[in-house]
Amino acid sequence: SQTIHQWPATLVQPVGSPLSLECTVEGTSNPNLYWYRQAAGRGLQLLFYSVGIGQISSEVPQNLSASRPQDRQFILSSKKLLLSDSGFYLCAWNRVDTGELFFGEGSRLTVL
Amino acid sequence: DAKTTQPPSMDCAEGRAANLPCNHSTISGNEYVYWYRQIHSQGPQYIIHGLKNNETNEMASLIITEDRKSSTLILPHATLRDTAVYYCIAKFLTGGFKTIFGAGTRLFVKA
Repeated sequence: SQTIHQWPATLVQPVGSPLSLECTVEGTSNPNLYWYRQAAGRGLQLLFYSVGIGQISSEVPQNLSASRPQDRQFILSSKKLLLSDSGFYLCAWNRVDTGELFFGEGSRLTVL
Repeated sequence: DAKTTQPPSMDCAEGRAANLPCNHSTISGNEYVYWYRQIHSQGPQYIIHGLKNNETNEMASLIITEDRKSSTLILPHATLRDTAVYYCIAKFLTGGFKTIFGAGTRLFVKA
């Protein structure tokens, strides 16, 4: 069966520090991968999606970047965090045949 | 993807059916209706999806009107654990790489 994992689960970082969140999917090949962010009390915002290795589409201009170095690995990064980067970050993949999205456990980032 | 409209919040008594409406008046013929829910501090969870016919699974039932302009998600016997934000999304099955979530409906199940 397919599984998706994210880490770290929680992170407290100072403003200006770098960030790396990692997501891996198991049990499927060539998945479409997504990064979403949810600020406190807000809705889910699609940040990036990827349809293959090295293929990244950005949905909103921002302080973050994404990379897909391997088929089932998706990384969210920042060189210098801002206070506004705080939030709950979710990685997801979707089944191509049914369109269902499956989410990871999430990474909660607090920038101080 | 077609825009969907949902009420911001609803209440339901524990043990009763929860009926969550969704309007998608501009939905095209090939767009499916998907429902997800998000329990606090967790990622969204897929519930059900459908195109034209009513659908039922172990979690819920989906009723789509004949003109497909609206749908209703039914939780037949709501429990306290069903308290969550429910999202209705209209989306193409294939070729639609992005799933955009709206504000959803916050369902409160009360004892």
